[in-house]
Amino acid sequence: RKEVEQDPGPFNVPEGATVAFNCTYSNSASQSFFWYRQDCRKEPKLLMSVYSSGNEDGRFTAQLNRASQYISLLIRDSKLSDSATYLCVVIDTGNQFYFGTGTSLTVIP
Amino acid sequence: NAGVMQNPRHLVRRRGQEARLRCSPMKGHSHVYWYRQLPEEGLKFMVYLQKENIIDESGMPKERFSAEFPKEGPSILRIQQVVRGDSAAYFCASSPLNRQGPYEQYFGPGTRLTVT
Repeated sequence: RKEVEQDPGPFNVPEGATVAFNCTYSNSASQSFFWYRQDCRKEPKLLMSVYSSGNEDGRFTAQLNRASQYISLLIRDSKLSDSATYLCVVIDTGNQFYFGTGTSLTVIP
Repeated sequence: NAGVMQNPRHLVRRRGQEARLRCSPMKGHSHVYWYRQLPEEGLKFMVYLQKENIIDESGMPKERFSAEFPKEGPSILRIQQVVRGDSAAYFCASSPLNRQGPYEQYFGPGTRLTVT
């Protein structure tokens, strides 16, 4: 079983839509969680950290559900510039980083 | 504060040659990670290093690949006798160390290796 699993998509949504991605992880003792964004042929860039209490940054909201072992990313009022691949990342107790394979989002005019 | 630097950005090698990829972490970062990304695929972890130590190399192919992070200078990912299947983007990331251990990673722009 993979440490981190994501729905690869693709998600094709119209501008202004709300879209949500989930990511599940297998190690219940995992410590830290992040969402990264990767544009085509570029390096991944940190989008936001994920906390149990939830974390909001403008149109983006990240949530952690430890009981069900998943993290989520919600994007409201989608913009064309949000089109990218979104990667969830889990750090386990051994300080190892595990990346999901990414969820592809295309926002359509 | 300069970000993570990788060079070269593009590298072309013929089959059988050696490829050396360099990564300079962000200032103050003591952890370096190497990842490989094949076209249309996700990031695959290769190796995790601290200065003069390989912490986890579980993602490294058993042959032809090696990595180091010397006391002075950049981290090096070395691929000997390259084959066409080695063509990929190789990303380096660095992470600071806080009291709980490494924190978020910052990525370099990657080295795109093409084997002809």
